[in-house]
Amino acid sequence: KQEVTQIPAALSVPEGENLVLNCSFTDSAIYNLQWFRQDPGKGLTSLLLIQSSQREQTSGRLNASLDKSSGRSTLYIAASQPGDSATYLCAVLLDSSGAGSYQLTFGKGTKLSVIP
Amino acid sequence: GAGVSQSPSNKVTEKGKDVELRCDPISGHTALYWYRQSLGQGLEFLIYFQGNSAPDKSGLPSDRFSAERTGGSVSTLTIQRTQQEDSAVYLCASSLTRFHFADTQYFGPGTRLTVL
Repeated sequence: KQEVTQIPAALSVPEGENLVLNCSFTDSAIYNLQWFRQDPGKGLTSLLLIQSSQREQTSGRLNASLDKSSGRSTLYIAASQPGDSATYLCAVLLDSSGAGSYQLTFGKGTKLSVIP
Repeated sequence: GAGVSQSPSNKVTEKGKDVELRCDPISGHTALYWYRQSLGQGLEFLIYFQGNSAPDKSGLPSDRFSAERTGGSVSTLTIQRTQQEDSAVYLCASSLTRFHFADTQYFGPGTRLTVL
């Protein structure tokens, strides 16, 4: 069974700092990996999706990397802003049966607070 | 264009009653996903639809849970004989692609279900 772990569980940084969020997964035969953002009381917003054949994806101040062999992904946020405060979730997609039976497994998230 | 909508936004029910949760995806999106987010379990993937078809129902927590989608649009998640452990926020998402999970998912605001 795929397990996804996110470290740290919570992080507080001063505005302007660069930061890294970590995600690790136990089964490296993934189809893709996604990073999401969740604001309190709201649904999720997809940030970046990395296909298994890719090494990284970038969007604005966000950069996500994927190392399938080691079962790790990082989300790098440059020049953090108070508006970045949210919970960041990592999710991996696995074709559990090899026959198109997909399962998406989420980590428990990292709660980020950016202090003005 | 409207985003993903879910109704009701909040539902309080008594143990043993049946509930129906509704999801209206973004128009034209072929893939639709249901998730559950609870304090104890984090975010769980439940089921996805490609058109009106759900290829894999193994993510549903028990046989009290069922889901259907009609006309390639609206989906309903039904929970029969609700239990207190069913209390959670139920999130729905949709994506454009017919290649499920390979495209950005857009999430609704969720339905908060409380079983007394």
